[in-house]
Amino acid sequence: DTAVSQTPKYLVTQMGNDKSIKCEQNLGHDTMYWYKQDSKKFLKIMFSYNNKELIINETVPNRFSPKSPDKAHLNLHINSLELGDSAVYFCASSHGGDWNQPQHFGDGTRLSIL
Amino acid sequence: AQKVTQAQTEISVVEKEDVTLDCVYETRDTTYYLFWYKQPPSGELVFLIRRNSFDEQNEISGRYSWNFQKSTSSFNFTITASQVVDSAVYFCALSGGTSYGKLTFGQGTILTVHP
Repeated sequence: DTAVSQTPKYLVTQMGNDKSIKCEQNLGHDTMYWYKQDSKKFLKIMFSYNNKELIINETVPNRFSPKSPDKAHLNLHINSLELGDSAVYFCASSHGGDWNQPQHFGDGTRLSIL
Repeated sequence: AQKVTQAQTEISVVEKEDVTLDCVYETRDTTYYLFWYKQPPSGELVFLIRRNSFDEQNEISGRYSWNFQKSTSSFNFTITASQVVDSAVYFCALSGGTSYGKLTFGQGTILTVHP
């Protein structure tokens, strides 16, 4: 009965490959987010979707493309992976009706680029 | 622009000591929310508390307490009688009234509690 689940937990791949990270939440939330945590533990928002509509799109290379098939899912596809993409990626969800409700995070996906 | 500063990069204490983690924020929003999250060694992010800008009451939850002072733009977190299980990275975060839920995080404070 995991609230926000991400798959895979670990992803090791070569530079130049394309990969996807999936996120699903069963909390009934209508807003989902992707955050990136770098090697110094700094967390920064990348995207957010509310009811499948893109709400936040920070300055992120266009190699990163989020997709929300429904409000319970927000996937992240990354093209042409680069060394600098190595990080932990966190998915989160919250109630968009009150934008400042606490966000519930998944366990993270550790992406390592060789 | 919003900014959150956690000046303490790392803190090391011995079990049963009290420890305070500092958080200072900047925002132009008149309505905003402050949060603390805990990231234990296992890596997940755990929500601890949310406080809105109109509520300056301090809060206590067991060994945890939070002191919000709008005059100094600070939202400090104190752990009383620390335990080894409190060892984690603690993040302070800010969400402005116009930011559609975007959390701006501080750099995090690594707390190590030694037995």
